[in-house]
Amino acid sequence: NAGVTQTPKFQVLKTGQSMTLQCAQDMNHEYMSWYRQDPGMGLRLIHYSVGAGITDQGEVPNGYNVSRSTTEDFPLRLLSAAPSQTSVYFCASSPRTSGGGIGETQYFGPGTRLLVL
Amino acid sequence: AQSVTQLGSHVSVSEGALVLLRCNYSSSVPPYLFWYVQYPNQGLQLLLKYTSAATLVKGINGFEAEFKKSETSFHLTKPSAHMSDAAEYFCAVRERGNQGGKLIFGQGTELSVKP
Repeated sequence: NAGVTQTPKFQVLKTGQSMTLQCAQDMNHEYMSWYRQDPGMGLRLIHYSVGAGITDQGEVPNGYNVSRSTTEDFPLRLLSAAPSQTSVYFCASSPRTSGGGIGETQYFGPGTRLLVL
Repeated sequence: AQSVTQLGSHVSVSEGALVLLRCNYSSSVPPYLFWYVQYPNQGLQLLLKYTSAATLVKGINGFEAEFKKSETSFHLTKPSAHMSDAAEYFCAVRERGNQGGKLIFGQGTELSVKP
């Protein structure tokens, strides 16, 4: 298994440009999420999904869109990039437990570094 | 709302010394608790987790953490630091039940190890 993969590894955007950060997992996990990491602030949840076709907002959703058309993929779209979105973005996934709940452990991708000028 | 506080954004220890990284959470019901490690330019890796079994949890690389309900704490320790332990460490909490599995992270503690 490749686990959780993210592309690109690094991206430079100009203010106002749009782009999509890709995230894929090959572990058949139902739960997927996007976090951003900023110095001194830990990781903050942007959006998450508990299964294909179901998404919800996290702590800092403004300026980002997501969709979940398949179990494997969970792309994050920046509609109109702003310098405040300069950050490192992590995707994570988690399996559903045998009891039906979301598994305790999340598996993280390697991250995408985004610089918005 | 749940929150996680990590005391000390930077901790420096000498090689061979005790490592103690502090984490306190706020929750009315004991949640799931996690420690993750992040090495430079890498993603997060799970060190250990507490899910209501034993209160003393052992993880990888010689780390362990003890859940103390009375103190709402989940401090991370390692008896003897190694140079390879230098990294950033994150404490995280997750509500029990099917809440979408959202993790709430602390601010992180950067551990440096002096020779």
